[in-house]
Amino acid sequence: QQPVQSPQAVILREGEDAVINCSSSKALYSVHWYRQKHGEAPVFLMILLKGGEQKGHEKISASFNEKKQQSSLYLTASQLSYSGTYFCGTETQAAGNKLTFGGGTRVLVKP
Amino acid sequence: GVSQNPRHKITKRGQNVTFRCDPISGHTALYWYRQSLGQGLEFLIYFQGNSAPDKSGLPSDRFSAERTGGSVSTLTIQRTEQRDSAMYRCASSPRTSGSSYEQYFGPGTRLTVT
Repeated sequence: QQPVQSPQAVILREGEDAVINCSSSKALYSVHWYRQKHGEAPVFLMILLKGGEQKGHEKISASFNEKKQQSSLYLTASQLSYSGTYFCGTETQAAGNKLTFGGGTRVLVKP
Repeated sequence: GVSQNPRHKITKRGQNVTFRCDPISGHTALYWYRQSLGQGLEFLIYFQGNSAPDKSGLPSDRFSAERTGGSVSTLTIQRTEQRDSAMYRCASSPRTSGSSYEQYFGPGTRLTVT
């Protein structure tokens, strides 16, 4: 079952903040975040691991609540380049080494 | 980076198609995904080193994939149907057991079944 992302879409002005949430019904081993611009391949942003380890861009922040099986991605002081669709991918111990992706959150940052 | 060929494929219903993926050199893990227009990424199959592939995401027995020599991979769809039309993406990862690593995606192959 795929994780649920919210909101489905968000429109921001440059400089504004936004939060994208990712919820799973299963216990998670890790959460990945990717951004995909129109017509391009998804690009890795961050991995959050069970136990608190994080790997990824320093300028992008995210949190992982293992108990609630949720992760949030924080877009702070948004720039035009932040526009795109953000996907979370969840990994469970039982599922092995594959990711199940959410439906995506479309972000549009306007000048 | 990850390369995929062809970039576009138009085929008639009932024909077989094969897509190729060249992962980043040294990456042991390789994944295939399907992405319909405006949708998320649907896992198809996963290869890790010399282990048996995880085929749990393949939608039917018309889909198959191989990975030769731990590097190049091909995805084949037999007897294509219109519902197979989508972007097929390959990703590779320097994954080893015990942790989780980022995936690097290729540009994809856009399949159109007429």
